[in-house]
Amino acid sequence: DIQMTQSPSSLSASVGDRVTITCRASQTISTYLNWYQQKPGKAPKLLIYAASSLQSGVPSRFSGSGSGTDFTLTISSLQPEDFATYYCQQSYSTSSFTFGPGTKVDIK
Amino acid sequence: EVQLVESGGGLVQPGGSLRLTCAASGFTVGSYYMSWVRQAPGKGLEWVSIIHSGGTTYYADSVKGRFIISRDNSKNTLYLQMNSLRTEDTAVYYCARLTFRAFDPWGQGILVTVSS
Repeated sequence: DIQMTQSPSSLSASVGDRVTITCRASQTISTYLNWYQQKPGKAPKLLIYAASSLQSGVPSRFSGSGSGTDFTLTISSLQPEDFATYYCQQSYSTSSFTFGPGTKVDIK
Repeated sequence: EVQLVESGGGLVQPGGSLRLTCAASGFTVGSYYMSWVRQAPGKGLEWVSIIHSGGTTYYADSVKGRFIISRDNSKNTLYLQMNSLRTEDTAVYYCARLTFRAFDPWGQGILVTVSS
């Protein structure tokens, strides 16, 4: 099975900061990597699919990059509504999926 | 509007069974890959199962042999039959559609508590 890791596990940042979260797969997954945002008590929301494609309706301050085993989610200028937990997820195989452990972004 | 609504959760004793339902609107369940994902209290997301548009099913090792995913195209509904439930199955269960190999949209989630 493909394992996913994320770093950091949590971070504190201020409004306006540039934030970068990394995700690593245990084997190459091409660009079959997605990013989700989850707020407390809510369902996850898709932000980025196929490593770098912005989901419709998602602000352009969110961007994704990477391929193979190493991926990055960047928030160019953190907004108050962006404080949440972020998960990466691989979909290299459509018979088994794995999420990363999550990165919690809170207010400094 | 594309929407998923889960129901059927609740409290069940260890060893018991429960069936979750996910009612879809705005699209045809049988035309997409549909999945269940769960989240234990205070923990991360865990993929549980998927049913392909052709009907093939797959499960996480943690639920294989105990859970069954199915769908009723006439009712446009996805199901998760959960048997031999364990305390570690306690979680919020989400149904989700696979689109461009990503989960979107998601239902609002339904809580399943396994406890004596």
